[in-house]
Amino acid sequence: GAVVSQHPSWVICKSGTSVKIECRSLDFQATTMFWYRQFPKQSLMLMATSNEGSKATYEQGVEKDKFLINHASLTLSTLTVTSAHPEDSSFYICSARQDGASGNTIYFGEGSWLTVV
Amino acid sequence: DAKTTQPTSMDCAEGRAANLPCNHSTISGNEYVYWYRQIHSQGPQYIIHGLKNNETNEMASLIITEDRKSSTLILPHATLRDTAVYYCIVRSFGNEKLTFGTGTRLTIIP
Repeated sequence: GAVVSQHPSWVICKSGTSVKIECRSLDFQATTMFWYRQFPKQSLMLMATSNEGSKATYEQGVEKDKFLINHASLTLSTLTVTSAHPEDSSFYICSARQDGASGNTIYFGEGSWLTVV
Repeated sequence: DAKTTQPTSMDCAEGRAANLPCNHSTISGNEYVYWYRQIHSQGPQYIIHGLKNNETNEMASLIITEDRKSSTLILPHATLRDTAVYYCIVRSFGNEKLTFGTGTRLTIIP
């Protein structure tokens, strides 16, 4: 299957600082990528849809100025958590849609653990 | 997208077939059924998807009822590494999003 890679796999940052997470589609182009957040023992919650060359679309309740998304190329989207606080500590997962004839399958990265101290 | 209903948890003996049901009674004609699984502390892994015909790949088989209101994911010979949360998701071809429910926690027992 298609490969989506996230970096870093885990990061610890101090409260008030910003941290960037990268999401790359390694063997396919992705016009559209998605960012999810998952708290322990909960399901994945969609944060935003990232479209190459245009502004991201955020889900209701997600602060666009806090979670900055940039999708500058067909293989890379980045999520920057600005002014991070301990409550932002979570598992962040990206996914990328592989365009194709059969259902436009979406593939997920390995996830990035963020701990804000 | 149509909502899905899955059992909260299931157990299956190692080496046996694991059959995971999913109800999607409000599915519409252009909506696909997708299955993903999430092993602890990892991103979801794509398993299989289908529209109305049964599908099989190297990981699993997907059986969709004729009225498309339910489906079953079959792992033919479950191993311990198949222990995970399995998500059944219905998504229309033109809809970008995958919306996750609570899934089924499958535990493979030695």
